[in-house]
Amino acid sequence: AQKVTQAQTEISVVEKEDVTLDCVYETRDTTYYLFWYKQPPSGELVFLIRRNSFDEQNEISGRYSWNFQKSTSSFNFTITASQVVDSAVYFCALSGGDGNKLVFGAGTILRVKS
Amino acid sequence: GAVVSQHPSWVICKSGTSVKIECRSLDFQATTMFWYRQFPKQSLMLMATSNEGSKATYEQGVEKDKFLINHASLTLSTLTVTSAHPEDSSFYICSARRWDRDITEAFFGQGTRLTVV
Repeated sequence: AQKVTQAQTEISVVEKEDVTLDCVYETRDTTYYLFWYKQPPSGELVFLIRRNSFDEQNEISGRYSWNFQKSTSSFNFTITASQVVDSAVYFCALSGGDGNKLVFGAGTILRVKS
Repeated sequence: GAVVSQHPSWVICKSGTSVKIECRSLDFQATTMFWYRQFPKQSLMLMATSNEGSKATYEQGVEKDKFLINHASLTLSTLTVTSAHPEDSSFYICSARRWDRDITEAFFGQGTRLTVV
């Protein structure tokens, strides 16, 4: 069975601080995909990144960066110089190699205070 | 990019009535769509997989007679909450998988906030 664990229920930071959101996953598939989504108060899911299991290269996109480590089954997400607009719920998700249904973590509420 | 449109964005209905939610893939054909439910301050839970031209596959614990799914075309799946009750109040969100590319990104609709009074 697949499982995604986001141990941090809620994180509060002050603007301009860096923050890392943790994600640990479990799967028996050798091919799988990992995702991060942002859910602002409007409810819509905003796609942030997709990573397949064969690509362990870390990725940076502006203030966002992701660290994928298969050895620890982790796919952590870091926001550098956080901003108030980053306040949202962030979900880590996992799908099998066929790209079918996503299994979501419980989500981490990020509050960035000015 | 690919867009999935969900309608309505929000709906309030009386207990005992039925509500239909539509999920459309606007610029690609989706043979498979997924319906999720999210209770307040909780994660998204998969309810069912909607397959074009065949019966939906429901996750354990989801009543198929209560949550009717129809995927009659390659661009439209509908979820009907029958005889809705207050405990069905939730945020329902669909997603669609694009088949003609080698990526497996799931495109999500905007979600529907259902309130049953």
